[in-house]
Amino acid sequence: DTEVTQTPKHLVMGMTNKKSLKCEQHMGHRAMYWYKQKAKKPPELMFVYSYEKLSINESVPSRFSPECPNSSLLNLHLHALQPEDSALYLCASSPGTSGASETQYFGPGTRLLVL
Amino acid sequence: AQKITQTQPGMFVQEKEAVTLDCTYDTSDQSYGLFWYKQPSSGEMIFLIYQGSYDEQNATEGRYSLNFQKARKSANLVISASQLGDSAMYFCAMRGPPIDKLIFGTGTRLQVFP
Repeated sequence: DTEVTQTPKHLVMGMTNKKSLKCEQHMGHRAMYWYKQKAKKPPELMFVYSYEKLSINESVPSRFSPECPNSSLLNLHLHALQPEDSALYLCASSPGTSGASETQYFGPGTRLLVL
Repeated sequence: AQKITQTQPGMFVQEKEAVTLDCTYDTSDQSYGLFWYKQPSSGEMIFLIYQGSYDEQNATEGRYSLNFQKARKSANLVISASQLGDSAMYFCAMRGPPIDKLIFGTGTRLQVFP
């Protein structure tokens, strides 16, 4: 079963709101990722957690705060976002061996609209 | 640094026909892997097929096959017997640096018509 789940599917928030995106996988994967995808563009990596530790932050603004409570869960906390942060946010997971052949499996994404 | 190029912004194919989506890549690494993903309008990125640089045979997964030409640095996706449900955006990708990062091409939008 290669399933990654994400909640919510859609989110509308104001610039002063605080919200969280959630991601869950039960494949025993030890690496989890957040990507941001703008319309008609490829996904762009934001964060990588490896064995529950943040291993990559692609210079993401501090209004995005990732959290990995355990090996199955990944959260993205949102605060004081800007309208240009509106995008599809994709979560992915992979086994965590960091080899060139390691496949990342994606969730269905959360469509975020910031007003 | 790794780079993926997909030169076809859009492709049309009739149902039941085969279609080839182009992907070229650039890397100085000897060991690397290439991935293809499908993204329907719903948004989910669906993993289709993987090709390793040392694999001697072209990868196949059901109706998907990868035409891997290492010397030309190309990894084209071939979809046989197209179906209406194949209409989607298709991305070619490879691992970073950093190794955990997927580098994506700009994608090809495939539309299958009856």
